Amino acid sequence: DSGVTQTPKHLITATGQRVTLRCSPRSGDLSVYWYQQSLDQGLQFLIQYYNGEERAKGNILERFSAQQFPDLHSELNLSSLELGDSALYFCASSVRVGANVLTFGAGSRLTVL
Amino acid sequence: DQQVKQNSPSLSVQEGRISILNCDYTNSMFDYFLWYKKYPAEGPTFLISISSIKDKNEDGRFTVFLNKSAKHLSLHIVPSQPGDSAVYFCAASDLRNNDMRFGAGTRLTVKP
Repeated sequence: DSGVTQTPKHLITATGQRVTLRCSPRSGDLSVYWYQQSLDQGLQFLIQYYNGEERAKGNILERFSAQQFPDLHSELNLSSLELGDSALYFCASSVRVGANVLTFGAGSRLTVL
Repeated sequence: DQQVKQNSPSLSVQEGRISILNCDYTNSMFDYFLWYKKYPAEGPTFLISISSIKDKNEDGRFTVFLNKSAKHLSLHIVPSQPGDSAVYFCAASDLRNNDMRFGAGTRLTVKP
């Protein structure tokens, strides 16, 4: 157990729908990162939050949004889902802003039918 | 954007031999490099890292080499064990910024 908790582990939904993925960072970590891993692809950086504020943005689609709450948990919202959004979504956390070593959760597998 | 590239999707080696995994990067601002290991149904876990001020870092059976002029790093595993079979991701970070970029991964299979 890495200490980073992601829910749900698996999610199956239809095109056009909206889902929310949740992440609780490791205790003491203030920074949360979201990554997408599509089939046979590497980990694509989506977005990073530090202590509630957005700090960096990667290849995140406009249909996707995220936020970090006062208790430091984070949610990734995916809307108007398309077949190509099917992927593993990983959350990672670290103590500070500058990415050093990230601790990853087990991921949320999203399947869009 | 493919700022970090792992050009070998897979590698197979015999138990006891050396495994060499390679990684190239394009962004000269990267100053910290890491290797993560991923087993099925689990998230990536940190394995070893190296700062850009060094050219080698060793931790037990794992050694990472950095060639800044070639923008290339490699992970050596000696001796390889069947339990090392996993997907290995190379990652690079600019510590002044806030993101970490990953390669596509290399699936290592160590045969008994």
